[in-house]
Amino acid sequence: SQQGEEDPQALSIQEGENATMNCSYKTSINNLQWYRQNSGRGLVHLILIRSNEREKHSGRLRVTLDTSKKSSSLLITASRAADTASYFCATVDNYGQNFVFGPGTRLSVLP
Amino acid sequence: NAGVTQTPKFRVLKTGQSMTLLCAQDMNHEYMYWYRQDPGMGLRLIHYSVGEGTTAKGEVPDGYNVSRLKKQNFLLGLESAAPSQTSVYFCASSYSGQGPTDTQYFGPGTRLTVL
Repeated sequence: SQQGEEDPQALSIQEGENATMNCSYKTSINNLQWYRQNSGRGLVHLILIRSNEREKHSGRLRVTLDTSKKSSSLLITASRAADTASYFCATVDNYGQNFVFGPGTRLSVLP
Repeated sequence: NAGVTQTPKFRVLKTGQSMTLLCAQDMNHEYMYWYRQDPGMGLRLIHYSVGEGTTAKGEVPDGYNVSRLKKQNFLLGLESAAPSQTSVYFCASSYSGQGPTDTQYFGPGTRLTVL
């Protein structure tokens, strides 16, 4: 069963707009990570947020984590056409043994 | 550093044939993983290894075998390929499986088609 579930499944926005993707999970976690996958390529790590953190920034990325709601969000500000990709959240459980990906959000940024 | 590399990039098999996918990493990572990704879906863990000489089953291990004889290599074998194994296979590695060093580094993928 999927631990992480992204929402929405697909998102289409204009260049310059902000994009928000959400991830929900089911069990206690050690950390939650966001990855990006360009078409036909492997995944690339974007940002990691630990279970005791609530918000983290990296460039145009902002990630929040609400462990009480078992959810996380990824905000991409001032989107660019190059941000077009699929975005996945992945959770690591407290035992560090299970690394589970959600089905992803397909983001299209239109020029 | 090359990071994580996968061989081959593409392969077409007939049902019942066997093959081995090779993953190599040059980052001295302890953990290595094999995933499959089907259209419109996230990655599903097939097998993983927490160190040289160790392997463990993931979410979808049936029909696959793995070996980690050397720390830098992780092999995925299909003994008798089936059309249901048509997928894109990704290898990944991480320094450890716990704590802030859990970031996984992915290879470019192997696209496998079983006819």
